[in-house]
Amino acid sequence: SSELTQDPAVSVALGQTVRITCQGDSLRTYYASWSQQKPGQAPMLVIYGNNGRPSGIPDRFSGSTSGNTASLTITGAQAEDEADYYCNSRDSSGNHLIFGGGTKVTVL
Amino acid sequence: QLRLQESGPGLVQPSETLSLTCTVSGGSISSSNYYWGWIRQPPGKGLEWIGSFYYLASTYYNPSLKSRVTISVDTSKNQFSLKLTSVTAADTAVYYCARHWFTAVTHIDYWGQGTLVTVSS
Repeated sequence: SSELTQDPAVSVALGQTVRITCQGDSLRTYYASWSQQKPGQAPMLVIYGNNGRPSGIPDRFSGSTSGNTASLTITGAQAEDEADYYCNSRDSSGNHLIFGGGTKVTVL
Repeated sequence: QLRLQESGPGLVQPSETLSLTCTVSGGSISSSNYYWGWIRQPPGKGLEWIGSFYYLASTYYNPSLKSRVTISVDTSKNQFSLKLTSVTAADTAVYYCARHWFTAVTHIDYWGQGTLVTVSS
């Protein structure tokens, strides 16, 4: 399969928890990674693999995988977390990089 | 600190060839473990992978673009380039160069700032 499916949008109250999901058959073989993109900026990696976090990313961001679904959880969402979030992985052939369609997170 | 910088024309005529260069500083494109590639984002839309290479080894392209795309490498300048032929308005996008891993985990850990390319006469 060459598709990753994300919900287009989700909202969360300030300080609450939100989970964003990414579904695709290739996630049974390959891990997903997650990038955050704010308006006018390049994307920035926030979670990779089995809950890896690059230096400088707050620990309120966490990742997990179950079957064909990867999840990004923001625990205690902050105003600055309002952004688009994209998952990515490899397709089932293993030769191509694929992205989900992105989820717009609004912090209320 | 690794830095990637895209450069090239911001306006391309329909049916012409889009050419961009990515200059890498603070690291070498010939180093092991990493792939280097191009990703684009049409205005208001999501990310689309164009293609990536691993130095002196594999080059992979998005199947939907493969017939029009070439990625080349100049290690003497620590640069890599993108050529996309026969462009149309649908190729209007912000083009990013990036570094990524391509193992069981495929994460993009460094991005360029992006450059907007508009296809228009």
